[in-house]
Amino acid sequence: NAGVTQTPKFQVLKTGQSMTLQCAQDMNHEYMSWYRQDPGMGLRLIHYSVGAGITDQGEVPNGYNVSRSTTEDFPLRLLSAAPSQTSVYFCASSYPGTGGLNTEAFFGQGTRLTVV
Amino acid sequence: AQSVAQPEDQVNVAEGNPLTVKCTYSVSGNPYLFWYVQYPNRGLQFLLKYITGDNLVKGSYGFEAEFNKSQTSFHLKKPSALVSDSALYFCAVRDGYDKIIFGKGTRLHILP
Repeated sequence: NAGVTQTPKFQVLKTGQSMTLQCAQDMNHEYMSWYRQDPGMGLRLIHYSVGAGITDQGEVPNGYNVSRSTTEDFPLRLLSAAPSQTSVYFCASSYPGTGGLNTEAFFGQGTRLTVV
Repeated sequence: AQSVAQPEDQVNVAEGNPLTVKCTYSVSGNPYLFWYVQYPNRGLQFLLKYITGDNLVKGSYGFEAEFNKSQTSFHLKKPSALVSDSALYFCAVRDGYDKIIFGKGTRLHILP
């Protein structure tokens, strides 16, 4: 099992460019999420999905789009990159478990994005 | 909404001494609490979780956490710190079936 795989690991964008951060998991997890990590801010939830075809907004969704066409993949799209989106992005997956609330999330290695 | 707070940005401990990283929580209903660790340039690794049952939860790498309902706390502990424990530690809480909410993190420095 590879777990949660994110690509690319590093990316530099110019302001206004668009790009897609890829996330794939091979654990057949229903739940997937995208977080951004900024110094002193911890991890903030961008978007999440409870299954193929179902997505919802988290705490900081503006400027980002997601889709979930398969259980395995959950790409994050930056529509028009801004310097404020410079951050480290993490994808995570989890499964319902017994009762649905007692399971931890598994994280990818992160994508470090710089917008200049 | 569920939330967690980590009151210390940084904790310094001498190698061999016991360590504590603090976390308090605010939830409606039963709390489902987690600790994660992040080493430099790496993703988050799961350490342990409290679901129900014993108030002392044991996890990976010799870490444990004490759940205290009356103080709404879930502090991470280790009896004897190692230099290799130096990392960023996050407390987290489940918010419904589909979301996990994280604290801002505490940087732990273990001094040789």
